[in-house]
Amino acid sequence: GAVVSQHPSWVICKSGTSVKIECRSLDFQATTMFWYRQFPKQSLMLMATSNEGSKATYEQGVEKDKFLINHASLTLSTLTVTSAHPEDSSFYICSAALALETQYFGPGTRLLVL
Amino acid sequence: EDQVTQSPEALRLQEGESSSLNCSYTVSGLRGLFWYRQDPGKGPEFLFTLYSAGEEKEKERLKATLTKKESFLHITAPKPEDSATYLCAVQANTGNQFYFGTGTSLTVIP
Repeated sequence: GAVVSQHPSWVICKSGTSVKIECRSLDFQATTMFWYRQFPKQSLMLMATSNEGSKATYEQGVEKDKFLINHASLTLSTLTVTSAHPEDSSFYICSAALALETQYFGPGTRLLVL
Repeated sequence: EDQVTQSPEALRLQEGESSSLNCSYTVSGLRGLFWYRQDPGKGPEFLFTLYSAGEEKEKERLKATLTKKESFLHITAPKPEDSATYLCAVQANTGNQFYFGTGTSLTVIP
């Protein structure tokens, strides 16, 4: 139980294009989903928290117009990196939680912007 | 300010050599402390949740303990497949957010 999937697992795109990453909780309904970013050999950096049906709460320093988050259902959240640039290249990981319980993480999406 | 510090940053053990990883925390009211294992290029894998001081949980060669200021992840007779980065996170009772430590990179040498 408590399986979270992400798609795609990796993506390469040209600078200026937009990339959408999907996060799904496969066997439970997640009231809250989280999006993290992780640079090599560093810990997870929380980008935003989203609750189903409401606007995401972004952490300080994270541009909400650049990183669009949609949490339309209890099993799906999407992160769209708009007009991606090389500095946006990173490992993006989502997690899902039921109420205030443990977060279960997806396998991550590696983004490379050329 | 809520804060999590893990030590050591890196640990190399011989196979079978038991040791402990430390997670020190300061939080304004602890809802839960979480241990995760992360392999390179993958998302963190949930290991344990601890809620109150004195609580202990075990899974195979791993045992997590909790006090009011820190948590330990004890690894008994580790094997090479235990090599990974172990992350600790705390959740305050004031919100959903997890505060992650920077992790301990464990290498177990055959």
